Amino acid sequence: KAGVTQTPRYLIKTRGQQVTLSCSPISGHRSVSWYQQTPGQGLQFLFEYFSETQRNKGNFPGRFSGRQFSNSRSEMNVSTLELGDSALYLCASSNVHLGAEETQYFGPGTRLLVL
Amino acid sequence: KQEVTQIPAALSVPEGENLVLNCSFTDSAIYNLQWFRQDPGKGLTSLLLIQSSQREQTSGRLNASLDKSSGRSTLYIAASQPGDSATYLCAVSFTGNQFYFGTGTSLTVIP
Repeated sequence: KAGVTQTPRYLIKTRGQQVTLSCSPISGHRSVSWYQQTPGQGLQFLFEYFSETQRNKGNFPGRFSGRQFSNSRSEMNVSTLELGDSALYLCASSNVHLGAEETQYFGPGTRLLVL
Repeated sequence: KQEVTQIPAALSVPEGENLVLNCSFTDSAIYNLQWFRQDPGKGLTSLLLIQSSQREQTSGRLNASLDKSSGRSTLYIAASQPGDSATYLCAVSFTGNQFYFGTGTSLTVIP
């Protein structure tokens, strides 16, 4: 089974631009979560989508948004980029079995640098 | 705000030693807890998942325990190997897959 894939792997943008990151979950997984990882703040939860609906949302400004498609692929968008948005963005997918969440599988991440 | 603390922040041990990594969290009403490892420049690999109704999980040389009442989890690594060198992260969720991560323990196993 193919793992979680994220594209692109590396990205350089300038302040004020917007960016879209993509995540393809493991086949059959309906839950996709997004995290931001920085040296100062560590790993922080952005949001989770399940069956095309946002199920949970972290404490990030509205510039951060996401969506999930019917095939469970997910995108996240960051508008009006700031220098502080430079980070590794990680996507994770998981399944739900008998009502219980199962192990999360993470992708390799997209490293975003904002200049 | 949920706080997840991991002690120690860094650990260096000789190969073959057994070791324990600690994780504490402020709210005992967790949904589940996961231990991950992260290798430099890479994503996370899940090691063990403990549901709130469970007390421990084992996989090979790894054993993780959960004590919700005291807000603690431990990851036990038996007979450590150089390949175990990585950062180990503890994460707790209170609903669905919204995980709160600790800052990690950086482990170095010396051959």
